[in-house]
Amino acid sequence: DTEVTQTPKHLVMGMTNKKSLKCEQHMGHRAMYWYKQKAKKPPELMFVYSYEKLSINESVPSRFSPECPNSSLLNLHLHALQPEDSALYLCASSQEDAPRGGYTFGSGTRLTVV
Amino acid sequence: KQEVTQIPAALSVPEGENLVLNCSFTDSAIYNLQWFRQDPGKGLTSLLLIQSSQREQTSGRLNASLDKSSGRSTLYIAASQPGDSATYLCAARSGGYQKVTFGTGTKLQVIP
Repeated sequence: DTEVTQTPKHLVMGMTNKKSLKCEQHMGHRAMYWYKQKAKKPPELMFVYSYEKLSINESVPSRFSPECPNSSLLNLHLHALQPEDSALYLCASSQEDAPRGGYTFGSGTRLTVV
Repeated sequence: KQEVTQIPAALSVPEGENLVLNCSFTDSAIYNLQWFRQDPGKGLTSLLLIQSSQREQTSGRLNASLDKSSGRSTLYIAASQPGDSATYLCAARSGGYQKVTFGTGTKLQVIP
């Protein structure tokens, strides 16, 4: 299995809703990432998990809450989002102990906040 | 701080043409450089990964080169096809290796 699977593919939520994005990989990668991508812009790093521990938080607002329950699964919990949070959310993974390793990305979740 | 620039921002070519996409980075102390393809509204598909010790990598009609000393990488696409139309992103892994810096992207359109 050489894929990163993200669900759902599309999500529409109100500003008072609570929802979660899910990301799963079975490649044995021990680093997992959340990226946010706005239209016509490159992906922006949000969070990095290394061996199931949060290692990087790029000053992301607390309305985004990541969670890594195990080495294969990464969640992003969403609460009280703003319309400007509408974007494509991408999950990626890589071999933690191999700085020469590349990234594998999922197909993304298209989030619309209304 | 690593900065990655891609030129041109957009490119339109007729089918069958060979083309080159450029990627420049400011910090030459990279671990690797990865080229991705992204279709509209979709995730990133890895095309080629070049390690810092390598000069080039090839996959089918694609060839990527790396010149660390000049801070440049190029992606060569031979005999372009309409299916190659997409945005191409390069990404440099450097510094704290958990971080990757993406380029600004080149939007390619291959006209039948």
